[in-house]
Amino acid sequence: NAGVTQTPKFQVLKTGQSMTLQCAQDMNHNSMYWYRQDPGMGLRLIYYSASEGTTDKGEVPNGYNVSRLNKREFSLRLESAAPSQTSVYFCASSERTGGRIETQYFGPGTRLLVL
Amino acid sequence: QKEVEQNSGPLSVPEGAIASLNCTYSDRVSQSFFWYRQYSGKSPELIMSIYSNGDKEDGRFTAQLNKASQYVSLLIRDSQPSDSATYLCAVTPGNTPLVFGKGTRLSVIA
Repeated sequence: NAGVTQTPKFQVLKTGQSMTLQCAQDMNHNSMYWYRQDPGMGLRLIYYSASEGTTDKGEVPNGYNVSRLNKREFSLRLESAAPSQTSVYFCASSERTGGRIETQYFGPGTRLLVL
Repeated sequence: QKEVEQNSGPLSVPEGAIASLNCTYSDRVSQSFFWYRQYSGKSPELIMSIYSNGDKEDGRFTAQLNKASQYVSLLIRDSQPSDSATYLCAVTPGNTPLVFGKGTRLSVIA
Protein backbone atom coordinates (compact mmCIF):
# COMPACT_ATOMS: atom_id res chain seq x y z
CA ASN A 1 0.00 0.00 0.00
CA ALA A 2 1.23 3.48 -0.90
CA GLY A 3 -0.72 5.17 1.93
CA VAL A 4 -1.25 8.85 1.12
CA THR A 5 0.30 10.18 -2.08
CA GLN A 6 0.59 13.79 -3.23
CA THR A 7 1.50 15.40 -6.53
CA PRO A 8 3.48 17.40 -7.39
CA LYS A 9 6.35 17.23 -4.90
CA PHE A 10 7.52 20.74 -5.74
CA GLN A 11 6.04 23.62 -7.72
CA VAL A 12 7.01 27.20 -8.53
CA LEU A 13 4.23 29.59 -9.53
CA LYS A 14 4.06 33.22 -10.46
CA THR A 15 1.63 35.49 -8.62
CA GLY A 16 -1.84 35.12 -10.13
CA GLN A 17 -1.32 31.68 -11.61
CA SER A 18 -3.58 28.82 -10.65
CA MET A 19 -2.82 25.22 -9.82
CA THR A 20 -4.31 22.10 -8.27
CA LEU A 21 -2.59 19.93 -5.70
CA GLN A 22 -3.61 16.31 -5.92
CA CYS A 23 -3.97 13.83 -3.07
CA ALA A 24 -4.99 10.19 -3.03
CA GLN A 25 -5.17 7.53 -0.31
CA ASP A 26 -5.51 3.78 -0.60
CA MET A 27 -6.44 3.01 3.02
CA ASN A 28 -10.21 3.28 2.43
CA HIS A 29 -10.41 6.17 4.90
CA ASN A 30 -13.54 8.27 5.08
CA SER A 31 -11.91 11.56 6.13
CA MET A 32 -9.30 13.61 4.32
CA TYR A 33 -7.55 16.87 5.15
CA TRP A 34 -5.37 19.60 3.72
CA TYR A 35 -2.86 21.41 5.96
CA ARG A 36 -0.23 24.02 5.33
CA GLN A 37 2.94 24.26 7.38
CA ASP A 38 4.94 27.45 7.71
CA PRO A 39 8.03 28.09 9.87
CA GLY A 40 6.98 28.96 13.41
CA MET A 41 3.27 28.46 12.63
CA GLY A 42 2.87 24.72 12.90
CA LEU A 43 0.31 22.76 10.92
CA ARG A 44 -2.81 24.73 10.07
CA LEU A 45 -5.94 23.14 8.65
CA ILE A 46 -7.12 24.59 5.33
CA TYR A 47 -10.08 22.35 4.46
CA TYR A 48 -11.26 18.91 5.34
CA SER A 49 -13.73 16.34 4.10
CA ALA A 50 -15.33 14.23 6.81
CA SER A 51 -16.76 11.85 4.24
CA GLU A 52 -17.24 11.54 0.51
CA GLY A 53 -19.49 14.35 -0.72
CA THR A 54 -18.80 16.76 2.14
CA THR A 55 -16.21 19.47 2.64
CA ASP A 56 -15.71 22.01 5.43
CA LYS A 57 -13.50 25.01 6.03
CA GLY A 58 -10.64 24.82 8.46
CA GLU A 59 -8.61 27.53 10.14
CA VAL A 60 -7.15 29.17 6.99
CA PRO A 61 -9.45 28.55 3.97
CA ASN A 62 -9.16 31.92 2.21
CA GLY A 63 -7.65 31.68 -1.27
CA TYR A 64 -8.26 27.93 -1.58
CA ASN A 65 -10.95 25.60 -2.88
CA VAL A 66 -11.24 21.84 -2.54
CA SER A 67 -12.93 18.95 -4.30
CA ARG A 68 -13.58 15.51 -2.85
CA LEU A 69 -13.58 13.71 -6.17
CA ASN A 70 -14.36 10.29 -4.69
CA LYS A 71 -13.49 8.39 -1.53
CA ARG A 72 -9.82 8.12 -2.54
CA GLU A 73 -9.07 11.59 -3.88
CA PHE A 74 -9.13 15.09 -2.39
CA SER A 75 -7.72 18.01 -4.36
CA LEU A 76 -6.75 21.53 -3.31
CA ARG A 77 -6.96 24.38 -5.81
CA LEU A 78 -5.31 27.78 -5.71
CA GLU A 79 -7.25 29.98 -8.13
CA SER A 80 -4.91 32.99 -8.05
CA ALA A 81 -1.69 32.26 -6.21
CA ALA A 82 -0.18 34.86 -3.89
CA PRO A 83 3.29 34.96 -2.29
CA SER A 84 1.60 34.43 1.10
CA GLN A 85 0.64 30.95 -0.11
CA THR A 86 4.28 29.90 -0.29
CA SER A 87 4.31 26.94 2.07
CA VAL A 88 4.55 23.20 2.44
CA TYR A 89 1.18 21.54 1.90
CA PHE A 90 0.32 18.23 3.51
CA CYS A 91 -2.63 16.01 2.76
CA ALA A 92 -3.79 13.55 5.41
CA SER A 93 -6.47 10.92 5.83
CA SER A 94 -8.07 9.13 8.75
CA GLU A 95 -10.79 6.69 9.62
CA ARG A 96 -13.72 7.42 11.91
CA THR A 97 -14.69 4.76 14.42
CA GLY A 98 -17.98 5.30 16.22
CA GLY A 99 -17.79 9.01 15.38
CA ARG A 100 -14.26 9.34 16.76
CA ILE A 101 -11.46 10.41 14.45
CA GLU A 102 -8.63 7.91 14.51
CA THR A 103 -5.00 8.53 13.65
CA GLN A 104 -4.31 10.88 10.77
CA TYR A 105 -1.78 9.64 8.22
CA PHE A 106 0.13 12.20 6.20
CA GLY A 107 1.36 12.34 2.63
CA PRO A 108 4.92 13.38 1.76
CA GLY A 109 4.00 17.02 1.14
CA THR A 110 4.11 19.51 -1.71
CA ARG A 111 6.52 22.43 -1.50
CA LEU A 112 5.02 25.47 -3.20
CA LEU A 113 6.90 28.65 -3.99
CA VAL A 114 4.93 31.64 -5.28
CA LEU A 115 7.05 34.40 -6.79
CA GLN B 1 -10.12 29.27 19.57
CA LYS B 2 -8.88 25.82 20.49
CA GLU B 3 -5.20 25.97 21.37
CA VAL B 4 -2.45 23.45 21.85
CA GLU B 5 0.70 24.82 23.43
CA GLN B 6 4.20 23.40 23.30
CA ASN B 7 7.60 24.84 24.12
CA SER B 8 9.35 25.42 20.80
CA GLY B 9 12.74 24.38 22.15
CA PRO B 10 15.26 23.39 21.18
CA LEU B 11 15.36 20.83 23.95
CA SER B 12 18.87 19.39 24.14
CA VAL B 13 19.52 16.12 25.95
CA PRO B 14 22.62 13.88 26.03
CA GLU B 15 22.48 10.48 24.40
CA GLY B 16 21.03 7.88 26.76
CA ALA B 17 19.08 10.43 28.84
CA ILE B 18 15.32 10.80 29.19
CA ALA B 19 13.72 13.48 27.03
CA SER B 20 10.50 14.97 28.40
CA LEU B 21 8.18 16.80 26.02
CA ASN B 22 5.11 18.65 27.29
CA CYS B 23 1.85 19.86 25.82
CA THR B 24 -1.15 21.71 27.22
CA TYR B 25 -4.51 22.19 25.54
CA SER B 26 -7.40 24.57 26.03
CA ASP B 27 -10.45 22.55 24.93
CA ARG B 28 -11.75 20.69 27.98
CA VAL B 29 -13.83 18.30 25.89
CA SER B 30 -10.76 16.91 24.13
CA GLN B 31 -10.81 13.14 24.09
CA SER B 32 -8.07 11.96 21.74
CA PHE B 33 -4.39 12.86 21.96
CA PHE B 34 -1.55 12.13 19.58
CA TRP B 35 2.19 12.60 19.40
CA TYR B 36 3.80 12.88 15.97
CA ARG B 37 7.48 13.04 15.06
CA GLN B 38 8.62 15.12 12.11
CA TYR B 39 12.13 15.00 10.70
CA SER B 40 13.35 18.06 8.82
CA GLY B 41 11.89 18.11 5.32
CA LYS B 42 9.63 15.12 5.97
CA SER B 43 5.98 14.62 6.85
CA PRO B 44 4.68 13.96 10.38
CA GLU B 45 4.53 10.33 11.47
CA LEU B 46 2.56 8.98 14.41
CA ILE B 47 4.46 7.87 17.51
CA MET B 48 1.71 7.42 20.09
CA SER B 49 -1.98 7.92 20.64
CA ILE B 50 -3.60 8.09 24.07
CA TYR B 51 -7.25 8.37 25.04
CA SER B 52 -7.42 7.67 28.80
CA ASN B 53 -5.82 9.28 31.83
CA GLY B 54 -2.57 7.71 32.92
CA ASP B 55 0.47 6.31 31.14
CA LYS B 56 0.77 4.38 27.90
CA GLU B 57 4.09 2.76 27.03
CA ASP B 58 5.39 1.64 23.65
CA GLY B 59 9.05 0.64 23.59
CA ARG B 60 11.17 3.63 24.60
CA PHE B 61 8.19 5.98 24.43
CA THR B 62 5.68 6.74 27.19
CA ALA B 63 2.73 9.06 26.77
CA GLN B 64 1.14 10.53 29.89
CA LEU B 65 -2.31 12.12 29.99
CA ASN B 66 -3.94 14.18 32.73
CA LYS B 67 -7.30 15.49 31.53
CA ALA B 68 -8.02 17.37 34.77
CA SER B 69 -4.87 19.44 34.25
CA GLN B 70 -5.31 19.47 30.44
CA TYR B 71 -1.79 18.18 30.04
CA VAL B 72 -0.21 15.49 27.91
CA SER B 73 3.46 14.57 27.81
CA LEU B 74 5.84 12.29 25.94
CA LEU B 75 8.85 10.69 27.57
CA ILE B 76 11.62 9.21 25.44
CA ARG B 77 13.92 6.88 27.38
CA ASP B 78 17.49 6.11 26.33
CA SER B 79 17.40 8.98 23.82
CA GLN B 80 19.33 8.40 20.60
CA PRO B 81 20.68 10.89 18.05
CA SER B 82 18.11 9.46 15.63
CA ASP B 83 15.39 10.83 17.94
CA SER B 84 16.45 14.37 17.02
CA ALA B 85 13.37 15.81 15.33
CA THR B 86 10.39 18.07 15.95
CA TYR B 87 7.64 16.51 18.06
CA LEU B 88 4.07 17.62 17.43
CA CYS B 89 1.26 17.27 19.94
CA ALA B 90 -2.25 16.99 18.45
CA VAL B 91 -5.64 17.01 20.15
CA THR B 92 -9.25 16.49 19.14
CA PRO B 93 -12.59 16.22 20.95
CA GLY B 94 -13.11 13.18 18.76
CA ASN B 95 -15.36 14.25 15.92
CA THR B 96 -13.42 17.17 14.46
CA PRO B 97 -9.98 17.38 12.88
CA LEU B 98 -6.83 17.33 14.97
CA VAL B 99 -5.51 20.64 16.29
CA PHE B 100 -1.72 20.66 16.30
CA GLY B 101 0.75 22.45 18.52
CA LYS B 102 3.65 24.21 16.85
CA GLY B 103 6.03 21.49 17.95
CA THR B 104 9.09 21.08 20.16
CA ARG B 105 12.46 20.63 18.52
CA LEU B 106 14.51 17.91 20.24
CA SER B 107 18.24 17.60 19.82
CA VAL B 108 19.98 14.50 21.21
CA ILE B 109 23.69 15.11 21.61
CA ALA B 110 26.03 12.14 21.08
